[in-house]
Amino acid sequence: LAKTTQPISMDSYEGQEVNITCSHNNIATNDYITWYQQFPSQGPRFIIQGYKTKVTNEVASLFIPADRKSSTLSLPRVSLSDTAVYYCLVGDQAGTALIFGKGTTLSVSS
Amino acid sequence: NAGVTQTPKFQVLKTGQSMTLQCAQDMNHNSMYWYRQDPGMGLRLIYYSASEGTTDKGEVPNGYNVSRLNKREFSLRLESAAPSQTSVYFCASSVRSENSPLHFGNGTRLTVT
Repeated sequence: LAKTTQPISMDSYEGQEVNITCSHNNIATNDYITWYQQFPSQGPRFIIQGYKTKVTNEVASLFIPADRKSSTLSLPRVSLSDTAVYYCLVGDQAGTALIFGKGTTLSVSS
Repeated sequence: NAGVTQTPKFQVLKTGQSMTLQCAQDMNHNSMYWYRQDPGMGLRLIYYSASEGTTDKGEVPNGYNVSRLNKREFSLRLESAAPSQTSVYFCASSVRSENSPLHFGNGTRLTVT
């Protein structure tokens, strides 16, 4: 069974902020939370990673509450090019079985 | 650097035929993975290799075999292809350290008729 649960799909308009939440009730102490973005006909690519509180980079922000049972990927002012599938992945380190969920398909319209 | 390279990009097989999907990375990564992606199913882990010389089963290993030929290369073999193995196959690699992100190839689209 996947360790994570995400909404199957979300819709947004250009310029809006989009928040995608991932549930991971059984997260282990050593687990980090990593988000990936996938465009059609391409492999997923890394967006952001965090352990607790808030992480921000040039692309997105990641909010993690104190109990770490969920996390929220925030995309500020989305554009059409942000239309993609977003995956939340929970795991402790490379070299172990990293299990993806089904992802969230984000559709951005003009 | 090319990153993770998968060959071929496309392949059509008849039921019962065999083939090997090739994956190579030039980032000196320790760990390598094979995933398959089907509509509505997300990415499912087939096999992974934590380091050179080791391989382990993932979520859906039946019908597949793997070989970690050396640190750079990790191949996936279908001995007797079935229509249920029609899918897009992705190879990924990472440094074997805490929380290192995965780097993916662009996939092999396989159709079994």
